[in-house]
Order: sequence, then structure tokens, then C-alpha cells
Amino acid sequence: GAGVSQSPSNKVTEKGKDVELRCDPISGHTALYWYRQSLGQGLEFLIYFQGNSAPDKSGLPSDRFSAERTGGSVSTLTIQRTQQEDSAVYLCASSLTATGYGYTFGSGTRLTVV
Amino acid sequence: KNQVEQSPQSLIILEGKNCTLQCNYTVSPFSNLRWYKQDTGRGPVSLTIMTFSENTKSNGRYTATLDADTKQSSLHITASQLSDSASYICVVSDSGTYKYIFGTGTRLKVLA
Repeated sequence: GAGVSQSPSNKVTEKGKDVELRCDPISGHTALYWYRQSLGQGLEFLIYFQGNSAPDKSGLPSDRFSAERTGGSVSTLTIQRTQQEDSAVYLCASSLTATGYGYTFGSGTRLTVV
Repeated sequence: KNQVEQSPQSLIILEGKNCTLQCNYTVSPFSNLRWYKQDTGRGPVSLTIMTFSENTKSNGRYTATLDADTKQSSLHITASQLSDSASYICVVSDSGTYKYIFGTGTRLKVLA
């Protein structure tokens, strides 16, 4: 596609439920990143995929968070047993190479846990 | 610890006025510095990208400067418009890695 597409754009879920957030990167981009932006906070790195390499999961805040990237394209961020502190905007970005060429953000998914 | 600090946290200006946003960083080794504009509810959009060898880069009414010696960057907005109201985020990339260090941004409000 022309840009990084994220869905849904908004998600309201009850505490304790699982949610899946989807990211469709720019075609051909080998690197994909997930970030979290809490209200009034900066962007917090969650996880990084690069080609067929093992993902860097060092930013995932707990084992309730997981992500996968199938076929080197679409990625899904899953949050299990959601908590209110998980409420944030989840942003996905992709780039053509690991060095960041063509680095582009999606519009994000606003997650609200009630 | 690699850090990126931005100032001011928030800024209110009148339409047509100029303003300058600051970004200081401690990231080392340094690869490039990016300024992003983030409208409320949207993802960040790139304004400028500068490597350590570049001192200034313009994108329309936006001009970014970089002093790699003092590790400071600024974003100057000329003749502000209402549509400039947004958060402006400074991002510094670690040389040779994929690590991006984000500042917490400056929230700009342009009033008519």
C-alpha cells in the first residue's frame, strides 16, 4: 500500500479481555516496529522485526504482550488480559531497511481499556 | 543513558508569528536526527532528516538546524498557520543500529 495501515483505529475493550492490533506495513519494507504512546508521554519502543531475523522483544512491558509478523509483511500485536494501564495509542512504523530508510508511521490504534 | 530532551513542553503563539523548538540529545554514536509533526489522533509525519554532517535542512516553512558538536537541534517554524498546531517530536538514531530515541515532544498551539 501507499502507507502504513493500522486497524482498528479505535478499540474499546473491557479489562481482562484480549485484543489484537494489526499493522500492514509499506510493501517491501523489511523492518517493522511497534511503539506505545501513553497520554502525555513520549513514544515507547515495544518490539522490532527485521526480515527473517529473530525479533527484538526487549521493549515489551510484560508477558501479556506478544507480536508476530507473518510472511514478513503484516504484523499483529496481541495484548492478553488487558489492564487499564494498557490504554494508549499503539503506533506501527516500517522502513525499507534496518537503517531506517523510508521510515514511516501508521496512524495508530487508540486502545481504551474500561 | 541515551536521552533526547525537548523544550519547551508546550507553546502558544499567534497565527503568523515565528517560533523555534529545541532538541538536546546525548545519543552516541549518532547517526541521524529527525523532526516529526504529529497531529492529534494521527501518526507522526516526517518533516526533516539530518545526518551528522548537515547543519540545516528546510521543508517549506520548517527549517531544522543541527549542531553535532553541542548535540543540539532546533526546528524553526516561519509564519505559523493554524494547521501547525500539533506535537513536534525530535527523534535521534543510534549509529549502526535500529534504535531510535524519542523526545517527549513540544505541543504547539497556534491561535487566530
